[in-house]
Amino acid sequence: AQSVTQLDSQVPVFEEAPVELRCNYSSSVSVYLFWYVQYPNQGLQLLLKYLSGSTLVESINGFEAEFNKSQTSFHLRKPSVHISDTAEYFCAVNWRGSNYKLTFGKGTLLTVNP
Amino acid sequence: DAGVIQSPRHEVTEMGQEVTLRCKPISGHNSLFWYRQTMMRGLELLIYFNNNVPIDDSGMPEDRFSAKMPNASFSTLKIQPSEPRDSAVYFCASGPGLAGGPEQYFGPGTRLTVT
Repeated sequence: AQSVTQLDSQVPVFEEAPVELRCNYSSSVSVYLFWYVQYPNQGLQLLLKYLSGSTLVESINGFEAEFNKSQTSFHLRKPSVHISDTAEYFCAVNWRGSNYKLTFGKGTLLTVNP
Repeated sequence: DAGVIQSPRHEVTEMGQEVTLRCKPISGHNSLFWYRQTMMRGLELLIYFNNNVPIDDSGMPEDRFSAKMPNASFSTLKIQPSEPRDSAVYFCASGPGLAGGPEQYFGPGTRLTVT
């Protein structure tokens, strides 16, 4: 079965430190890749997406993710985090031909401490 | 655009009662998804529709759960009868589907508490 693995359930960091949230998926066939962010008591918001083209994609608030086909990974990075980045982050994968169904990872809780 | 709209935002009901959750997708989107989120099981896909037709309902936990999409701008998720283990946050999401891509946009959710 196709699966998405987020290796870290919690990542605590200090403000202005760099962070990487890891995401691996099970199959190297054609995929669309997504990161979502969920702030407390809110719905999931689309943070960034890879559909085709450049393997490095960026969000408007400084996050970036790189599609690595050989390692079946889509890790999320930010060079300097803010307190306001504290949230849960979900990696999601759509395997082409699966009718636009997304498979989500279990999430990583990023906590940014002062 | 107003985004995906869900109602009610909070619902508290007693065991055995019928619960109906409502969703209005983003205008022009062809796909609609219902999810459930709990601490224990995380985010689970319950059912999804393309062009108002149910495509996969394998995630619906039991016959007590049913979902409909009578038109492109409205969907309901019904639980009858409700049980305490149904307590969760229920999200509706919509996406462009075949018209434009696989990304999904989530509503704010309905927090259901069954006592």
